[in-house]
Amino acid sequence: EAGVVQSPRYKIIEKKQPVAFWCNPISGHNTLYWYRQNLGQGPELLIRYENEEAVDDSQLPKDRFSAERLKGVDSTLKIQPAELGDSAVYLCASSLTPPSYEQYFGPGTRLTVT
Amino acid sequence: GQSLEQPSEVTAVEGAIVQINCTYQTSGFYGLSWYQQHDGGAPTFLSYNALDGLEETGRFSSFLSRSDSYGYLLLQELQMKDSASYFCAVRDGRSGAGSYQLTFGKGTKLSVIP
Repeated sequence: EAGVVQSPRYKIIEKKQPVAFWCNPISGHNTLYWYRQNLGQGPELLIRYENEEAVDDSQLPKDRFSAERLKGVDSTLKIQPAELGDSAVYLCASSLTPPSYEQYFGPGTRLTVT
Repeated sequence: GQSLEQPSEVTAVEGAIVQINCTYQTSGFYGLSWYQQHDGGAPTFLSYNALDGLEETGRFSSFLSRSDSYGYLLLQELQMKDSASYFCAVRDGRSGAGSYQLTFGKGTKLSVIP
């Protein structure tokens, strides 16, 4: 069974530029999460989807971040414009529904904003 | 608010036993999870405790005391490949009983030496 797939794995951009991350969850997992992980820290939840509905986006900085999950499968997280402080690893995870304490993480996208 | 405390670094000898502690403060606690993350890798689920006591899975065991807001991960017969960061995460009830949101600690970097 394929795991959570994310692309790109690495991205370097200049500040004020836009960037997008893509995630394909494990087949059959209806719940999808986006996390941000800063160096030396644990993952922090940005947004959680159940199917195509965003059910928890309280920690998503909505002035510059947006996300979508069309058709309840793949998801895209976008930052526009990026700031220096956005440099981090962006992790996507999925789990069975109902949402589970056992989440399956992708390898992440390491974003560097210069 | 939610807070989790775990040691930032632990060093142990190959073949030995190591315990990684986690104390938490949260509202509406439902359970404690543990995840392992190798450098540059994805977090992977290790265990979950919802009730007091010890859960054993091979060389790894996890313990929870709800009255003390405390848990630990025990790794036995340490191997070099166990060198990684270990995160405790609480499933809290900020969003109600149906919430499955995980809040992660900052992680403990375990170094296994020969």
